[in-house]
Amino acid sequence: ETGVTQTPRHLVMGMTNKKSLKCEQHLGHNAMYWYKQSAKKPLELMFVYSLEERVENNSVPSRFSPECPNSSHLFLHLHTLQPEDSALYLCASSPGTAKGETQYFGPGTRLLVL
Amino acid sequence: AQSVAQPEDQVNVAEGNPLTVKCTYSVSGNPYLFWYVQYPNRGLQFLLKYITGDNLVKGSYGFEAEFNKSQTSFHLKKPSALVSDSALYFCAVRDRGNTPLVFGKGTRLSVIA
Repeated sequence: ETGVTQTPRHLVMGMTNKKSLKCEQHLGHNAMYWYKQSAKKPLELMFVYSLEERVENNSVPSRFSPECPNSSHLFLHLHTLQPEDSALYLCASSPGTAKGETQYFGPGTRLLVL
Repeated sequence: AQSVAQPEDQVNVAEGNPLTVKCTYSVSGNPYLFWYVQYPNRGLQFLLKYITGDNLVKGSYGFEAEFNKSQTSFHLKKPSALVSDSALYFCAVRDRGNTPLVFGKGTRLSVIA
C-alpha cells in the first residue's frame, strides 16, 4: 500500500452519464495529480493541485472536471465522456511540487465508456 | 523539451540471470530521473531516483540504476532476476524549472523460471 487510495476501482458508464472518481492520500502531502494511462501510450498528466490550488491543466477536455476540496482529497468529475476516454485513471500525491519530489500512486480506476 | 525513451517494449530474462531495462533521456539541464514498476491491476510503485551525487543509485527489491551523463542513460539493473519481478517498468525524467514529470512508454519484463 502506498497510502493513496482510489474509488471505485472499476467503472462502466454510458456516454450520457455523470460519475466521479475519488482519490484520498494519507501521507500528509501537499500536491496531488491526475494521470491517464491508455494502452501503449505514455502516462498523460491531466491535472496538478498544490495546496488545493490547480497549478497545471494539460489541455484536458472540459468533460473532465477536477476538484480538490482539501489537501487529502481529489476528485475527477466525468460527464458526457467518449469511448476513447476509456483508460486507467491514476491519482498520485507528493510532498510538494519541487523537481526531486517522489510521486506516490494509487491503484487506479479502470474506466470503460460505452 | 524533455523526453525519455525506453527502446525495448519487452525484455525476457531467465530467473537467476542479471536483468537490464534501458532508459535514455533528453533534457536541457540537469535531469531528475525516476524508475517505477507497475504490477497487473495496480498503480505505479516507486523504485528509485537520481537527483544528484553518486551515479549508482540503489532502490527497492534489489534494483539499482546507473546515471550516465555522457550517454544520457539511466538503465535499471538487478543482479539476479526473480519471477516476481515480472511487471511493467517505467522510466521518468524531470528537467529543471517548472516542468512536469515525463514518463516513457514502459518496458514489460518477463522473468521465466
